[in-house]
Order: sequence, then C-alpha cells, then structure tokens
Amino acid sequence: SQTIHQWPATLVQPVGSPLSLECTVEGTSNPNLYWYRQAAGRGLQLLFYSVGIGQISSEVPQNLSASRPQDRQFILSSKKLLLSDSGFYLCAWSTQGSQPQHFGDGTRLSIL
Amino acid sequence: GQQLNQSPQSMFIQEGEDVSMNCTSSSIFNTWLWYKQEPGEGPVLLIALYKAGELTSNGRLTAQFGITRKDSFLNISASIPSDVGIYFCAGQPPGNNNDMRFGAGTRLTVKP
Repeated sequence: SQTIHQWPATLVQPVGSPLSLECTVEGTSNPNLYWYRQAAGRGLQLLFYSVGIGQISSEVPQNLSASRPQDRQFILSSKKLLLSDSGFYLCAWSTQGSQPQHFGDGTRLSIL
Repeated sequence: GQQLNQSPQSMFIQEGEDVSMNCTSSSIFNTWLWYKQEPGEGPVLLIALYKAGELTSNGRLTAQFGITRKDSFLNISASIPSDVGIYFCAGQPPGNNNDMRFGAGTRLTVKP
C-alpha cells in the first residue's frame, strides 16, 4: 500500500533563517505531489504541485519554493523565512490530477 | 477563483444524534471530496464524489454531489465520540485537475 511521510513533524525557526521540509511517498510511481499550507482554523491553501520530476507549478506567489529532485520526493524551501510563513504544512499525493489526494501528517512550523 | 462556503462552522451534539453539514459554491466543480482531520494530523479522505447527483455511503457517512454541481452535503448518522474532528469539503474546479479548493471546515464535538 502507499504511504506518505513528512518531516520534521514540528519546527521552530527564527525569522530570516532558511527552510527545508521534505516529503516522500512509497508504494507508487510517478505520483502527482502537492504542498499545502493550513492557517489555524482555516482550510487548506494549495501552494505548489508537481506532475513529474523537475516539474513545479506554483499556485500562489510567495516566499517559498518547491523542488522535486526524485520521482517520490517533494521538498518545500525558503531562503529567508518571514513571520507570516508560520503554519501547518501538508504534503499530499494522488495517482493523477483527477483522483483524490492523500495527505501526510504535516509539519507545524513556528517562526519566532 | 472558486470559493467553497462550508457550514456550519462548528457543531456540538450528543452521542447518537445525526449530523449534517454542507458546502456551496457559486461555481461548478467536477469532483467533490470530504475529509476528516484530527489534531496534529493530515486530512483523511472519507468520501469522493464524481458525478452530479451521486449519493455515496461509507459506513455511517453519506455524501451527495449536488445536481447543480455547486454543492455537496455530508451526513453522519448515530454519531459516536470518535467522530470528533474537523470535516472539510473540497472540490476540483474545471480546467485544472490539480487544483483543489477547500472549505474552512466544520468542527464537530460529540458529547458522550
């Protein structure tokens, strides 16, 4: 069966520091991969998605970037974090765009 | 872009009661999905709906894809304490299969 892993589970970073969140999927090939941000008490906002290695689509202009160096690895990065980058970041996968997305357990990012 | 209006925002019910929540939009969607999220975890898919008018059950949960393609509801029958969590509707609009919009969630509390 397919599994999705995100790490770290929690992260506290100072303003201006870099960021790297990692997501990997097992048990499937060539998945579509997604990064979402969830603000407290809110729904999810799609940040990036990828349909293949090296292919990244950005949904919202921001301080973050994404990369997909391997088929089942998706990375969310920032060079300099802002206070507004705090939130709960979720990675998800699907077999293709029209199919339901399945989520990891998220990373709670706090910026001080 | 297409926005999803989810209601109610929160519900406090007694164990054994039935629950109903819904999502509406001013635009049509090709797919409607319902997820449940528990604290510190990612959303878990409950039901996926692909056709207007479709009615699908998953145990005590029943969801329907509205005929107009602009709404969906989720019913939970005979609620139990483990139903506690935040329920999100999500919809995939026409034009981009990788775009998924989320409602703001319904927070369900079940009193034993």
